[in-house]
Amino acid sequence: KAGVTQTPRYLIKTRGQQVTLSCSPISGHRSVSWYQQTPGQGLQFLFEYFSETQRNKGNFPGRFSGRQFSNSRSEMNVSTLELGDSALYLCASSEGLAGTDTQYFGPGTRLTVL
Amino acid sequence: GEDVEQSLFLSVREGDSSVINCTYTDSSSTYLYWYKQEPGAGLQLLTYIFSNMDMKQDQRLTVLLNKKDKHLSLRIADTQTGDSAIYFCAEIDSARQLTFGSGTQLTVLP
Repeated sequence: KAGVTQTPRYLIKTRGQQVTLSCSPISGHRSVSWYQQTPGQGLQFLFEYFSETQRNKGNFPGRFSGRQFSNSRSEMNVSTLELGDSALYLCASSEGLAGTDTQYFGPGTRLTVL
Repeated sequence: GEDVEQSLFLSVREGDSSVINCTYTDSSSTYLYWYKQEPGAGLQLLTYIFSNMDMKQDQRLTVLLNKKDKHLSLRIADTQTGDSAIYFCAEIDSARQLTFGSGTQLTVLP
């Protein structure tokens, strides 16, 4: 099976702009989770989508939003970008069921906000 | 809240064993994970252990879990230069949210 794919791999934006990141999960996986990785805060959970519904949400402002499509692909949107949003954004896919529900990560999207 | 702690750095000689330690706080975690991150890359799942297990071995990797002390360790036998990376331990809560440690930078010296 193909792994988790994320596009684009790199993005440069300026403050105040908005950005959309995309994630395609492993075939058959119905859950997609998003994480932000920064040198200062480490890896932090943003939100999880399962069957087109946001199931869990981390402690991030409303500028961060997402959605999931019927084919389980997910997008994450950040509006009114701030310098502090510069980070590696990782998505992870899993079956979304109880039990191990092991999450497999994509290569990430490196966002730089100038 | 949940907190996962790891030492930041570890250096070993090629061919030696590496032991990376981790402590966690959420006693309800059902699974604990080890991920590896190489420069510029995402997280690669190395292994995981169910909370009712004490040990799991997978080729060069051995995971030990002391549930009483909430202590997890990852042993890499015969460490190679290709093992140089950042290693994250993580616990999963009932909401399927992973909480990661800060990561341990493993440097393998020739």
